[in-house]
Amino acid sequence: RKEVEQDPGPFNVPEGATVAFNCTYSNSASQSFFWYRQDCRKEPKLLMSVYSSGNEDGRFTAQLNRASQYISLLIRDSKLSDSATYLCVVNEGGGGNKLTFGTGTQLKVEL
Amino acid sequence: NAGVTQTPKFQVLKTGQSMTLQCAQDMNHNSMYWYRQDPGMGLRLIYYSASEGTTDKGEVPNGYNVSRLNKREFSLRLESAAPSQTSVYFCASNSAPYNEQFFGPGTRLTVL
Repeated sequence: RKEVEQDPGPFNVPEGATVAFNCTYSNSASQSFFWYRQDCRKEPKLLMSVYSSGNEDGRFTAQLNRASQYISLLIRDSKLSDSATYLCVVNEGGGGNKLTFGTGTQLKVEL
Repeated sequence: NAGVTQTPKFQVLKTGQSMTLQCAQDMNHNSMYWYRQDPGMGLRLIYYSASEGTTDKGEVPNGYNVSRLNKREFSLRLESAAPSQTSVYFCASNSAPYNEQFFGPGTRLTVL
């Protein structure tokens, strides 16, 4: 079983749509959680951290459910520029501040 | 502020050749990391350095060595390249536990 699991997609949505991505993680001792965005042939970049209380950044909302070991990302009013791969990332604690990455969910926003 | 820089951007090697991938960060971060990214596999940790003077193995260390030259620089060496090491290699750094990691632009390596 993968430690961080995501639906690989692709999700093809029209511009203006709302789209949600989900992620599950296996280590209940995980300490911190992130969504990263990766454009084609580029490096991953932090989109947002994910907190237990939920957090919002403009059109993006992230939620964490520790009991179910589940993380979500909601994108409202999708733009063409949102097309990318979204990586669910978990810090499982322990030494070295190591991150465990999901394989990513691909989003394509179309006219 | 350049952030995290990597050289080279592209490299083609023949099986058995050696090379060193260079990484430097100018953010005064303590921890640095080397990952590889392969299709369908996600990013996998090769080695990391929690602080200057220390290095530790990650998930896929075989065939690689690292050197934390100073606080800024963390290099990855392939002593005898194999086709299975064809991948995109990313270096990253972060400032404190549980904080985000910042990534370099990557090195695309092909081993023939």
